[in-house]
Amino acid sequence: AQKITQTQPGMFVQEKEAVTLDCTYDTSDQSYGLFWYKQPSSGEMIFLIYQGSYDEQNATEGRYSLNFQKARKSANLVISASQLGDSAMYFCAMREGHGYSGAGSYQLTFGKGTKLSVIP
Amino acid sequence: ETGVTQTPRHLVMGMTNKKSLKCEQHLGHNAMYWYKQSAKKPLELMFVYNFKEQTENNSVPSRFSPECPNSSHLFLHLHTLQPEDSALYLCASSQDLGTGKEDTQYFGPGTRLTVL
Repeated sequence: AQKITQTQPGMFVQEKEAVTLDCTYDTSDQSYGLFWYKQPSSGEMIFLIYQGSYDEQNATEGRYSLNFQKARKSANLVISASQLGDSAMYFCAMREGHGYSGAGSYQLTFGKGTKLSVIP
Repeated sequence: ETGVTQTPRHLVMGMTNKKSLKCEQHLGHNAMYWYKQSAKKPLELMFVYNFKEQTENNSVPSRFSPECPNSSHLFLHLHTLQPEDSALYLCASSQDLGTGKEDTQYFGPGTRLTVL
């Protein structure tokens, strides 16, 4: 079974509108971290936002917010006021592990990504 | 320079060549990673180094050989590659304390490798 599922291969959004990119995850760990990255056509993976499994509030970073629904195991990314520069691939990723057993064992598992296209 | 840098950005090599990819991080992190990103496949972790010690090797063929001389530098030595090894190779670094957001991995721009 996939650990990270992104069901939207591609999305379109009008400039200045908000868009939600879906991500569901599968883990039996109680402690885990969820990340969203943006990958423009240049290739670099740019970190956007982080949500810890014990965080009670949804994470926000500027125009990015994470709609975290723990019971549903979903961590959707919301981009408000879309800009042309937001056109890129977006990846959801998860790091499992409780953080106390030593460094080096916290692999990131990535989803297949969603290609977002912002229309002028 | 700041962040994570990778050289070269593009590389074309024949199957009998030997080449190396270089990664350098200026973030003071203690863990470094190599990932492979092929078309239409999720990002695959290849190797993890923490404090210069290799801690993960995800069943990577021996034609890929990593080297980590110090916490700031990571190399991927390539030899007798196959055409299916053509991909974007991404390097990342992190604090790897396992404490949450502080353990975020930061990526370099990648090396786009083509094997002929």
